[in-house]
Formats: sequence, structure tokens, C-alpha cells
Amino acid sequence: AQSVAQPEDQVNVAEGNPLTVKCTYSVSGNPYLFWYVQYPNRGLQFLLKYITGDNLVKGSYGFEAEFNKSQTSFHLKKPSALVSDSALYFCAVRDKRAGGFKTIFGAGTRLFVKA
Amino acid sequence: GAGVSQSPSNKVTEKGKDVELRCDPISGHTALYWYRQSLGQGLEFLIYFQGNSAPDKSGLPSDRFSAERTGGSVSTLTIQRTQQEDSAVYLCASSLVGQGGNTEAFFGQGTRLTVV
Repeated sequence: AQSVAQPEDQVNVAEGNPLTVKCTYSVSGNPYLFWYVQYPNRGLQFLLKYITGDNLVKGSYGFEAEFNKSQTSFHLKKPSALVSDSALYFCAVRDKRAGGFKTIFGAGTRLFVKA
Repeated sequence: GAGVSQSPSNKVTEKGKDVELRCDPISGHTALYWYRQSLGQGLEFLIYFQGNSAPDKSGLPSDRFSAERTGGSVSTLTIQRTQQEDSAVYLCASSLVGQGGNTEAFFGQGTRLTVV
């Protein structure tokens, strides 16, 4: 069965500092991994995904994530946080071997960026 | 349409009543998903449809929940005999098929259901 863990309910960073939002996953096969963001009063938006190939994936708004197979992690990072990055972030996993579209989401991590 | 459209945006219903939530996916997207987001919680998978394949209903919490997708496009999520614990935001998403499921989902704005 697929599962995703986001160990931090909340992450606080100062504007201009680097940020990391953690995600670990569990699948029986190889994973497709996704990050989504939910801004206040707006729908979920896709940020980036890992499918295959280079472990470092770059996405929207300057975000990137690194796939680490040995640690089964897919942490989201940004070198310099902006106040406008404050939002709810979700990690998601899909089991490639299962061949379907069932996508399991983590509980979400709320990011607060202070000016 | 330009994006995934859900209706109604808000629904208040009395306990015990049935409700229907509608989702109109992005044109050409053959995969469609329903999720539930309770206050302070993550996204709970409910069901997904992919083309003409049998839907994956493994996330439906009880037999009061059902969903259908007509003509491979619009989907309706039905909750019978609603309970207060059904109160949540119900999110619909759609995606292209891609290769073996490597595509991201596009989400609607959700339907906020309140059972009183």
C-alpha cells in the first residue's frame, strides 16, 4: 500500500532564508512523486514531480525537490523564501508498478514565511 | 472549460438528507479523482476513474458514498443519509493519461459541504 508522511505540521522561516519541507513515502514499487501547494482560498496547484531520471527536480516559483531512493524521501526546497510562499504544501505519491492513478497525499505542511 | 469546475461551491444540508456534488473535468482528461479535505486534515482519497476501466473505489468511507462518471466526462459524487462527520471540502481533480500515470492532477475549487 502507498503512504506518505509529512512529519512537520508547520515550518517557520524568515524571508530570504532557505526552506525545506520534508516528505517520506512508502510504495511497493517505484514511485511517482508530486508536490502541490494550496494558497489561502485557492485550489491546489501542481508544483513539481519526479518521474524518472535526475534526482533533482525543478518546478514552479523557484521550488525544487530531491528524490532520495535510499531514504525514501522527496523533500521540497527553495534557496530563498518569500513571504508569498506562505501556504499549505502537500506531498503525494503514486505507485508506478500498480499502473493506476491512485494518488495518496500527505497530511500537509503549513509554511509560514516571516518578513 | 479552462479548468476543473465543481458545483455547488457551498452546500449546507440537514443530517439524513442526500447530496449530489458535481465535477466537470478539463476537456480531454480521461482520469478523474475525488478527494475529501476535512478541517486541518490532509487529502483523503475517495475514488478515481480512468477511461472505461472500472473505477478504483477503495477510498470510499462507507456504502453511503457513491460516484459515477457519465460519458467519460462529468462526474457526480453522491452521499446518502448525510452525517455530521461528512462535513468537509470535497475536491475533484482530473489529469491526462500520460505514460503509466506520470501526469499531474488539476484540481477544482472544491465543494464545501456542511451537514447540520
